[in-house]
Amino acid sequence: EPEVTQTPSHQVTQMGQEVILRCVPISNHLYFYWYRQILGQKVEFLVSFYNNEISEKSEIFDDQFSVERPDGSNFTLKIRSTKLEDSAMYFCASSGRRDFQETQYFGPGTRLLVL
Amino acid sequence: KNEVEQSPQNLTAQEGEFITINCSYSVGISALHWLQQHPGGGIVSLFMLSSGKKKHGRLIATINIQEKHSSLHITASHPRDSAVYICAVSQLGGSQGNLIFGKGTKLSVKP
Repeated sequence: EPEVTQTPSHQVTQMGQEVILRCVPISNHLYFYWYRQILGQKVEFLVSFYNNEISEKSEIFDDQFSVERPDGSNFTLKIRSTKLEDSAMYFCASSGRRDFQETQYFGPGTRLLVL
Repeated sequence: KNEVEQSPQNLTAQEGEFITINCSYSVGISALHWLQQHPGGGIVSLFMLSSGKKKHGRLIATINIQEKHSSLHITASHPRDSAVYICAVSQLGGSQGNLIFGKGTKLSVKP
């Protein structure tokens, strides 16, 4: 069964450093998403991406965040200057359709720790 | 204010028991999702529904749009069902992916 993959599984970084989280969505999917989950809290939507542009973003997704699909397979989330409060699990997801007939497939997550 | 509320927060059951997890929401929705989060953190989508009822194996999800309520049922529960079950909604007018998540229900099934 096709699956969404994410790398790295864990990342430790120093405050102020840039991090790039990578995702490989399911190959024929067109819609891509990033979510985060701070430890002990609920999952939160960050951004959705379609046709090489952001289609929707949350208040959390400020100027420190950016997303890119640099080639035909990868989908990345960049945090320019990490803060302690960026420590969280980051999930990528993808879906094949924009309507509500198909659910999303989630990756296993990247656990980011900012020191 | 929590737009998606789940109950109970924690649930312990004996193997074989019938389990119900409830979700109430306060916003207009296009769809409601039930997700399963494993102890390692990975998330699996179980159901997406906008009306009626869906069944997959031992899992049944129902939704009542008028009452803004959904339930997830597990029949003949098994220790491998132990996980956090999360309800999430796609708001009316929003994109499919812009989900509002509940806090989750932590289920533990004892052998």
